[in-house]
This record gives sequence, C-alpha cells and structure tokens, in this order.
Amino acid sequence: QKEVEQNSGPLSVPEGAIASLNCTYSDRGSQSFFWYRQYSGKSPELIMFIYSNGDKEDGRFTAQLNKASQYVSLLIRDSQPSDSATYLCAVNSGYSTLTFGKGTMLLVSP
Amino acid sequence: DTGVSQNPRHKITKRGQNVTFRCDPISEHNRLYWYRQTLGQGPEFLTYFQNEAQLEKSRLLSDRFSAERPKGSFSTLEIQRTEQGDSAMYLCASSGEGSTDTQYFGPGTRLTVL
Repeated sequence: QKEVEQNSGPLSVPEGAIASLNCTYSDRGSQSFFWYRQYSGKSPELIMFIYSNGDKEDGRFTAQLNKASQYVSLLIRDSQPSDSATYLCAVNSGYSTLTFGKGTMLLVSP
Repeated sequence: DTGVSQNPRHKITKRGQNVTFRCDPISEHNRLYWYRQTLGQGPEFLTYFQNEAQLEKSRLLSDRFSAERPKGSFSTLEIQRTEQGDSAMYLCASSGEGSTDTQYFGPGTRLTVL
C-alpha cells in the first residue's frame, strides 16, 4: 500500500523565518510530487510540483526531492502570517491518481 | 480561465437519503478526479475519469457510490442510502493531458449526514 507520511505539527515559526516541511513516501516507483496548501474549511491549492532530484524554486518556495531517500521537502522563506495553513504532500505513482499525506499544520506568528 | 466548480457547496441530509453532487472541470481538461476528505486527513482518492471513461475506482468506494461523466465534460457523484460515515468534504479535481498530471481542485462539497 502506497503511503505518504508527514508530521502533523503544528510547526510554529516566527514571521520572517524559514519554515521547513517534510514528507516521506513508500512507493519507489513514484514519479511526481506535489505540495498543496489548504486553509481551514477550504480546498487544496497547488503550490509547487517537482519531478527530478534536486531543488526547484518558485518565489519564496523551494521544493526539494531526494528519490534515493524517498524524501520531499518544502521550504518557505520569509514566512508570513498568511502562510499559516495545512500543507499537504501528494505523490503520483504513475497511475494519475494522487496519494496524499495527512498534512502538516504551519503557524506563523507575527 | 475559470477554475473547477462544484455544486452544491454544502449539503445536509438525513441518513438513508440519496444525494448527488456535480463537478464542472476546467474546460480544456480531459481528466477528472473525485476525492473525499475528512477532518485531520488528506484527500482520499475515490475515482478517476479520462474523458467519459471511468478508468479507476478506489477499493474504498462502496456500491452505494456511483460516478458518471456522460459527455466527457461535467461529472456527477451519487451516494445512495447515505450513512453518517459518509459525512466529509467531497473534492473534485481536473487535469489536462500530458506528463504533468497536475491536478487543480474545486471548492468542494461539504456533506453532513444527520
């Protein structure tokens, strides 16, 4: 069974700090990896996707992928209170559907 | 570019009743997905369409659940004889053809079964 593991948190960081969110996955055949942000009561909103080992940067966000370690992370630089949300890691193992982790709650304090 | 839309946004029903939800994907997207999310959990895959063909169904999808996408555009998800355990957020997502398969979610339908 394909599993995606995330620390449920909450992860608390002060405004302006770097938030580091981590995710591990069980299926070595996984091909693409996604980070979604979900505010309370709302639906998931895509932040980034990554396919290749290494780093991918988009504004304040950096996704990191290490397929050998089956590990994906998301760094948020200059964290803002508006970044406070649950961050979902999702993995596509080649069958189009996504397997999600339970999400990590991030709290950014002013 | 309008996003994925879902209707209704909220539905309250009594146990044993049937409910139907609708999803309209992003217009150029040929793939459509249904997920269910309960409190404290990530979205859980239910079923997937490519055009009008239902290509995959989760083993978690009981016989009381049925989904259709008759013309390859909008989709409906019906739950028959609802149970209290069906209370959840039902999410629809769509993606375009291509290697990315990046899925974009609609606002969801929150179902409460009394």
